Amino acid sequence: GEDVEQSLFLSVREGDSSVINCTYTDSSSTYLYWYKQEPGAGLQLLTYIFSNMDMKQDQRLTVLLNKKDKHLSLRIADTQTGDSAIYFCAEKSGNTGKLIFGQGTTLQVKP
Amino acid sequence: GAGVSQSPSNKVTEKGKDVELRCDPISGHTALYWYRQSLGQGLEFLIYFQGNSAPDKSGLPSDRFSAERTGGSVSTLTIQRTQQEDSAVYLCASSLSRDTAYEQYFGPGTRLTVT
Repeated sequence: GEDVEQSLFLSVREGDSSVINCTYTDSSSTYLYWYKQEPGAGLQLLTYIFSNMDMKQDQRLTVLLNKKDKHLSLRIADTQTGDSAIYFCAEKSGNTGKLIFGQGTTLQVKP
Repeated sequence: GAGVSQSPSNKVTEKGKDVELRCDPISGHTALYWYRQSLGQGLEFLIYFQGNSAPDKSGLPSDRFSAERTGGSVSTLTIQRTQQEDSAVYLCASSLSRDTAYEQYFGPGTRLTVT
């Protein structure tokens, strides 16, 4: 079946890099996503990567995909207090449009 | 332009009552999705609609849950005979299409509390 796993909590100091990890099981996943959820706010798409790519960089964000190990990571460079939020990894399942989400990783950024 | 809107934003209901949750997708988006976010859990897919195709209901947790989408636009999620375990935030999302990487835009959610 389809399953996405994430660690639940990460704490870093302001200015450090944050790395949030995710594993998934569906080898037919076409796209993998990172969403951000701030307190009291909706889900916001941060970035996505197509399954035939290894890496994607977008300003402070770097996404690494190891398709063999079904491992996805999000690196946030120079983490700021405004980056404190819950980060969800999600895969788009095969030919369907539905997203399968992980449990979310709470990122705490200490000043 | 306007994003995805949902109503009500909060709903408190007694166990056993029926509830209806509404979603207004972004105009022109053919795909519409419902997800549920329970306390301490991730987001769980419930159902999705794509144009005039039959909906994918594979994520609905029981036959007490149903959804419809009228005129290819507004969608209503109905929960009959609510139970306490139905308490969650119900999120609606829409996208241009289910295909490729089209972003799913999420609404603010409806927080349902069953007492």
